[in-house]
Amino acid sequence: ETGVTQSPTHLIKTRGQQVTLRCSSQSGHNTVSWYQQALGQGPQFIFQYYREEENGRGNFPPRFSGLQFPNYSSELNVNALELDDSALYLCASSKGGQVATYEQYFGPGTRLTVT
Amino acid sequence: SQQGEEDPQALSIQEGENATMNCSYKTSINNLQWYRQNSGRGLVHLILIRSNEREKHSGRLRVTLDTSKKSSSLLITASRAADTASYFCATDEGGGFKTIFGAGTRLFVKA
Repeated sequence: ETGVTQSPTHLIKTRGQQVTLRCSSQSGHNTVSWYQQALGQGPQFIFQYYREEENGRGNFPPRFSGLQFPNYSSELNVNALELDDSALYLCASSKGGQVATYEQYFGPGTRLTVT
Repeated sequence: SQQGEEDPQALSIQEGENATMNCSYKTSINNLQWYRQNSGRGLVHLILIRSNEREKHSGRLRVTLDTSKKSSSLLITASRAADTASYFCATDEGGGFKTIFGAGTRLFVKA
């Protein structure tokens, strides 16, 4: 089990609403990345944060945004929820600023259902 | 878009047998990683292999990388029921600032 935690575990929202998901990084890690995983698919990279700045982004619209705090914890915010946003959201922490260069430690995920 | 594509999509074997999964990718990489996921939960890092390496071992795992063919393989020897999971390869993109996962191989090990 990694030291990465996520909250909440499950969440149900209505289309058009906004949601905030939270992640606490493993101790000593300064980089956090977020992924969306639809059922039966691989994780899709949303973005990564290093020292409180976004420095890598996947093919997700601007309504997906994030924050990283000085203690390296992070939030993922999704505005104007759509039905297709229903998925497992995973965060991962790593060291070094380039998420794909080092092994990533994943949290257990937040299951978001949009109705 | 997905950079890595695993093959086969699903694999069912008996306990004690070896399991081999393959991953192909499209663009040049600096490293490739393999992850395991149990029951739709968080992923667990298995092994990282850099582009200048050809083979790497970790316990019962053996990973190979062929950059000329843009492919990698993961071999699990003497499989156990506890190895039942989905296995994903992940490659770096954008100078290491993005991780791209494939769709995964679902492995089922029968006791």
